[in-house]
Amino acid sequence: AQKITQTQPGMFVQEKEAVTLDCTYDTSDPSYGLFWYKQPSSGEMIFLIYQGSYDQQNATEGRYSLNFQKARKSANLVISASQLGDSAMYFCAMREVNQGGKLIFGQGTELSVKP
Amino acid sequence: GAGVSQSPRYKVAKRGQDVALRCDPISGHVSLFWYQQALGQGPEFLTYFQNEAQLDKSGLPSDRFFAERPEGSVSTLKIQRTQQEDSAVYLCASSLVLGSTDTQYFGPGTRLTVL
Repeated sequence: AQKITQTQPGMFVQEKEAVTLDCTYDTSDPSYGLFWYKQPSSGEMIFLIYQGSYDQQNATEGRYSLNFQKARKSANLVISASQLGDSAMYFCAMREVNQGGKLIFGQGTELSVKP
Repeated sequence: GAGVSQSPRYKVAKRGQDVALRCDPISGHVSLFWYQQALGQGPEFLTYFQNEAQLDKSGLPSDRFFAERPEGSVSTLKIQRTQQEDSAVYLCASSLVLGSTDTQYFGPGTRLTVL
């Protein structure tokens, strides 16, 4: 079974609008972390935001926020006020504390921002 | 900048050749990770080190893959007798410590093409 599922292979959003990228996860480990990374065409993975399994509040970092619904095992990324430079691949990833340090990535969502 | 660096950025190898990929982590980062990213896919874990100790190599696809970090800083991923299926981007990441909240910062990757 997939541990991280991103069901949207591609998304379009109009510049200045908000967009939500979906991510669901599967784990039996009570302690885990969820990460979102951005990968532009240059290839580098850029860290965006982190949410811990015990965090009570949703994480926010500037225009990025994470809609964490623990019971549903979802960790959707919300980008507000989209910019042309937001066009990239976005990956959701999970680290399970009992599995060491490795990150498990989803398949990614390609976001295109239209002017 | 003081980010993770990788070299070479691009490598073309003939099938059967050996290759060595280098990763310079962020100074002071204890943990170092290698991932393999096939075209159109999310990165997949290969191995990781805490200082010079290789704590998990469960993701290495075959015994042709070998990684080392002899002095706890620079790491080398070696692939012997390369095959076409080894063609991928190899990403290196480092983190300050190995904790549940610790973020992995990625380098630009090495794109390996095996002909």
